[in-house]
Amino acid sequence: DVKVTQSSRYLVKRTGEKVFLECVQDMDHENMFWYRQDPGLGLRLIYFSYDVKMKEKGDIPEGYSVSREKKERFSLILESASTNQTSMYLCASSLSYSPLHFGNGTRLTVT
Amino acid sequence: ELKVEQNPLFLSMQEGKNYTIYCNYSTTSDRLYWYRQDPGKSLESLFVLLSNGAVKQEGRLMASLDTKARLSTLHITAAVHDLSATYFCAVDRAGGNKLVFGAGTILRVKS
Repeated sequence: DVKVTQSSRYLVKRTGEKVFLECVQDMDHENMFWYRQDPGLGLRLIYFSYDVKMKEKGDIPEGYSVSREKKERFSLILESASTNQTSMYLCASSLSYSPLHFGNGTRLTVT
Repeated sequence: ELKVEQNPLFLSMQEGKNYTIYCNYSTTSDRLYWYRQDPGKSLESLFVLLSNGAVKQEGRLMASLDTKARLSTLHITAAVHDLSATYFCAVDRAGGNKLVFGAGTILRVKS
């Protein structure tokens, strides 16, 4: 079974802090994604990556950046956390043209 | 811009009843997914639909796709309590697994 592991289940950070969310997958998938999930809005794509050191903006990249130095690891960075970034963050990985496999999510609260 | 609309957003059903969740999308796509999310858990892939007229079934759930109408349906037959979850449809824009998700349908099956 594909395993996508997100390093933290819950995080509480202060406004202005730099926040790192880590994601590791164990199935050699080339594609990795970061989504945020908010009630009534579904999931929205923040950033994605099709290869090591490659990244592309999704639909809501403002205030975020990403890093993919190794194939199995995809990090989401909040440069200066704000309260409107309080949300559930979901990492996913996939092969091309295959379903996404999601991690369990990180619930981030910014106070 | 691809938009995906699900309805209803909330569905309360009695056990044993049938119902349908609808997923409309605004631009052409060749791939549509249905996911399930249990409370506090991550998303699990249920179905991938690839072509017009595609139908997939798993237990009490059946998904279909009409690409001409840009409509997918998820039909629930003789609902049971274990089907209580949030169901998302997601449409692949222009390949590459960059999915656009609907807002989700919260399904509650009452005994």
